[in-house]
Amino acid sequence: NAGVTQTPKFRVLKTGQSMTLLCAQDMNHEYMYWYRQDPGMGLRLIHYSVGEGTTAKGEVPDGYNVSRLKKQNFLLGLESAAPSQTSVYFCASSATQWRYNEKLFFGSGTQLSVL
Amino acid sequence: AQTVTQSQPEMSVQEAETVTLSCTYDTSESDYYLFWYKQPPSRQMILVIRQEAYKQQNATENRFSVNFQKAAKSFSLKISDSQLGDAAMYFCAYRGDSNSGYALNFGKGTSLLVTP
Repeated sequence: NAGVTQTPKFRVLKTGQSMTLLCAQDMNHEYMYWYRQDPGMGLRLIHYSVGEGTTAKGEVPDGYNVSRLKKQNFLLGLESAAPSQTSVYFCASSATQWRYNEKLFFGSGTQLSVL
Repeated sequence: AQTVTQSQPEMSVQEAETVTLSCTYDTSESDYYLFWYKQPPSRQMILVIRQEAYKQQNATENRFSVNFQKAAKSFSLKISDSQLGDAAMYFCAYRGDSNSGYALNFGKGTSLLVTP
């Protein structure tokens, strides 16, 4: 199994440009999440989805949009990138219920720089 | 939202010694899950250990153990016989409830340096 795959792994944007980050999981997970990681700030939740066709805002949603048209994919969009969105972005997924051995599966991250 | 506080931005330990990383959290729930994640320079997020609040026994995974003090809302990680490969950023995390899609709330992290 590939687990959670993020594309691209690196990207450089100019201010005002748009882009979409793709997260794909092959574990039939219901829950998917987008986090951003900044130095000294830990990981902060941007948006999440509890199933196909659903999305919800997390702690830092401004400037981002998401879509979950297919259960296996969770897209994160930046309509007009700003330097403040320079960060490492992580996607994660989990099963419906957190039973004893359940855990969050993380992608390998996307390093995004906005100039 | 529940808050997770890691008060030690950096810690250092000598190889083979023991180090304890601190974490406190704030919640009004009685049943919840807590986690420690390790992030090496590769950026990979690695689950180190998890604790279920209703279990009074502290979780242990090989050289890693926790000191879970529910009343004090404290969840520290002890690393015994430290190895060079333990050098990484460590994050404490609290699993939220259904209102947040069971998302993890992370602390700001502690950078652990292991010296020979």
